[in-house]
Amino acid sequence: QVQLVQSGAEVKKPGASVKVSCKASGYTFTSYYMHWVRQAPGQGLEWMGIINPSGGSTSYAQKFQGRVTMTRDTSTSTVYMELSSLRSEDTAVYYCARVPIVVAAFDIWGQGTMVTVSS
Amino acid sequence: SYVLTQPPSVSVAPGQTARITCGGNNIGSKSVHWYQQKPGQAPVLVVYDDSDRPSGIPERFSGSNSGNTATLTISRVEAGDEADYYCQVWDSSSDHPGVVFGGGTKLTVL
Repeated sequence: QVQLVQSGAEVKKPGASVKVSCKASGYTFTSYYMHWVRQAPGQGLEWMGIINPSGGSTSYAQKFQGRVTMTRDTSTSTVYMELSSLRSEDTAVYYCARVPIVVAAFDIWGQGTMVTVSS
Repeated sequence: SYVLTQPPSVSVAPGQTARITCGGNNIGSKSVHWYQQKPGQAPVLVVYDDSDRPSGIPERFSGSNSGNTATLTISRVEAGDEADYYCQVWDSSSDHPGVVFGGGTKLTVL
């Protein structure tokens, strides 16, 4: 079945970086774009950016420009999201979610990865 | 940047109809998607492209979009519908195109 499986929870210190993975299965990896969305505790959903697994092109939300990097490995059908210069406000659950075209709805989501930033 | 406005909460008795609104400037010209999120779980798509339902989503969930307001309607509400609901669009109108989410609406089943 179609699924996105994310890496496990992380605890990081302020100033560090975190890299979250999202492994796709059950469909053609390069036929769907992948978004990253985060959700701080008790808060709403916040879009971070999108990657095209086919060519690797990316587009990031202005808020995260310069701090986020999205990459992919087509050999393992995995996309990665790395966030640097972490601060306490980055404590959140991070989700990957796929779309067939850029403007479409997110039809499949990963289970989420909790990232805690604490000294 | 484009803003989507949702009421923080909506309450409804079982069996009644819940309507959750999503306001945005000329939102009727955009495709609106709706997600349901229960505590501790990832969001689930319940309506896409204003009014279409993914397979497996009950017919009780429907959507509409016109003018400056999109609406998610849940008919014959059940206890299991209690969740947070988010609207979402792709905004291509600004210098930085991207995904925009509404702030979310907590649906309480009385």
